[in-house]
Amino acid sequence: RKEVEQDPGPFNVPEGATVAFNCTYSNSASQSFFWYRQDCRKEPKLLMSVYSSGNEDGRFTAQLNRASQYISLLIRDSKLSDSATYLCVVYTNSNSGYALNFGKGTSLLVTP
Amino acid sequence: DAGVTQSPTHLIKTRGQHVTLRCSPISGHKSVSWYQQVLGQGPQFIFQYYEKEERGRGNFPDRFSARQFPNYSSELNVNALLLGDSALYLCASSWSTGGGEAFFGQGTRLTVV
Repeated sequence: RKEVEQDPGPFNVPEGATVAFNCTYSNSASQSFFWYRQDCRKEPKLLMSVYSSGNEDGRFTAQLNRASQYISLLIRDSKLSDSATYLCVVYTNSNSGYALNFGKGTSLLVTP
Repeated sequence: DAGVTQSPTHLIKTRGQHVTLRCSPISGHKSVSWYQQVLGQGPQFIFQYYEKEERGRGNFPDRFSARQFPNYSSELNVNALLLGDSALYLCASSWSTGGGEAFFGQGTRLTVV
């Protein structure tokens, strides 16, 4: 079983739509959780950290449910510039040491 | 301030050869991690180094090795290259191993022919 699993996508949505991405992780001892954004042929960049209390940054809302080992990202009022791949990332200290484990990524295309 | 810099940006090697990829972290960052990203997949963790010591290792064969220098820069070495090693190799730096934000370089695109 992969450490981090995401919705396969791709998601094609019109401008202004609300879209939600889901992610599950396998290691209950994982310590930190993030959503990264990766544009085509570019490096990943941090979008936001995810906390159990939930956090919001403008049109973006992230939630963490430790009991279910589930992470979500909600994007409201989608913009064309939101088109990218969204990577669910889990930070774990395991037998192999510290690691940032990435999901496969979910591709979002926002259309006019 | 310079971000994470990686060199070279592109590289073509022949099967069986050896390759060395280089990474300079953001000034003040002491942790460097390496990732392999195959087209259509998320980055896969290879190594993490902190204060010149290996702190984490992913599920990669012994052909992959790395080290971190006193100035916190790092090298990733891959021996006996296989066609399947063709990928984007990403380096990320962070303040520590504590799970904070990782800043990525633009990567080295390795093609093995």
